[in-house]
Amino acid sequence: KAGVTQTPRYLIKTRGQQVTLSCSPISGHRSVSWYQQTPGQGLQFLFEYFSETQRNKGNFPGRFSGRQFSNSRSEMNVSTLELGDSALYLCASSRGSPEELFFGEGSRLTVL
Amino acid sequence: ELKVEQNPLFLSMQEGKNYTIYCNYSTTSDRLYWYRQDPGKSLESLFVLLSNGAVKQEGRLMASLDTKARLSTLHITAAVHDLSATYFCAVDMGTGNQFYFGTGTSLTVIP
Repeated sequence: KAGVTQTPRYLIKTRGQQVTLSCSPISGHRSVSWYQQTPGQGLQFLFEYFSETQRNKGNFPGRFSGRQFSNSRSEMNVSTLELGDSALYLCASSRGSPEELFFGEGSRLTVL
Repeated sequence: ELKVEQNPLFLSMQEGKNYTIYCNYSTTSDRLYWYRQDPGKSLESLFVLLSNGAVKQEGRLMASLDTKARLSTLHITAAVHDLSATYFCAVDMGTGNQFYFGTGTSLTVIP
């Protein structure tokens, strides 16, 4: 059974640019959540999508957005990148909500 | 906002020894999760604890949950080098998959 797949795995951007990250959940999982991991702030919740609807949103500025498609695949976008956005972005999927999360390998974003 | 605290933050222990990692959280919740993260890797689910008094064991790791005390423990028995990793506990508020993670405990097992 394939796990959660995130692309790209690594990327480097400069300040002011925007970035889109993609996540394919485990087959049959309808919930996709996004988390940001940094050494200073740890793991922080960004948002959750369930059946194409945003169910929860963390305490992040509006530059961070996401969406979910009918096949449960999800994307998150960060606009006007700042140096502080450098982080590992983790996507997690689950069958339901709340339920055990299964994480992807993450997308490591570096903002220069 | 729900706060989740783990201690210790760093743990260095010799192979064969026992130790316990503690996870305290600030708001009532009946669900607690433990994850493991190896350097540069993603999070791997270890345990899901869904009720007061829940105890789960896998190999040398045992997790328990006391919802009244808002406390979970992860007990390591006879540590081996392969257990070296960062361990996170996480709590949800029951309103979806908005998990609140602890700060993590970086465990190093010395041969």
